Amino acid sequence: GALVYQYPRRTICKSGTSMRMECQAVGFQATSVAWYRQSPQKTFELIALSTVNSAIKYEQNFTQEKFPISHPNLSFSSMTVLNAYLEDRGLYLCGARDWGGQNTLYFGAGTRLSVL
Amino acid sequence: QQKVQQSPESLTVSEGAMASLNCTFSDGTSNNFRWYRQHSAKGLEVLVSIFSDGEKEEGRFTAHLNRANLHVSLHIREPQPSDSAVYLCAVSLLPGTGSNRLTFGKGTKFSLIP
Repeated sequence: GALVYQYPRRTICKSGTSMRMECQAVGFQATSVAWYRQSPQKTFELIALSTVNSAIKYEQNFTQEKFPISHPNLSFSSMTVLNAYLEDRGLYLCGARDWGGQNTLYFGAGTRLSVL
Repeated sequence: QQKVQQSPESLTVSEGAMASLNCTFSDGTSNNFRWYRQHSAKGLEVLVSIFSDGEKEEGRFTAHLNRANLHVSLHIREPQPSDSAVYLCAVSLLPGTGSNRLTFGKGTKFSLIP
């Protein structure tokens, strides 16, 4: 079956430091990867959509300078939160889309970021 | 910009009763609708995907879509304690017809009275 693994599950970083999170697709080809954030008391916001062989599209309020994303192949993506501050707290979800199947978006369990 | 609203904010039903969750969306060109479940700040589990008017059943979960009314609902048959979670409605356009962006509602917190 199709699975998406995210690492780490939880992380704590000091204010102003950076942390990198990873997303691994297993059992399918992730031609498109979407990174979402669920901030406390809010729903999921799309940060950016990355499609292999295309430029990464960032949503309003999110920039490459703050959330650089790498999508080097069809099974892996990573995103870094640079200079993390309190407002960056939340659950970061990676959703990988399998174009070859039913175009389902499979989500990982998320990386929970706490900022001290 | 797409707006997705879910109701009620929270729902409690007795074991064995049918549970109904509602979702309205603002973009009438949307054609890709999903219901997800989130257990206690974990990741998302996809329950049902529906793309055309009518209903789609996946086990005890049935989605009803009425695009003319900008409405999609989820019905949970014979809910069980393990179904207690936050249910999220997500709406987007299928690829080739525009953005692949999923817009989420704020969720309905569902719980069961044993």
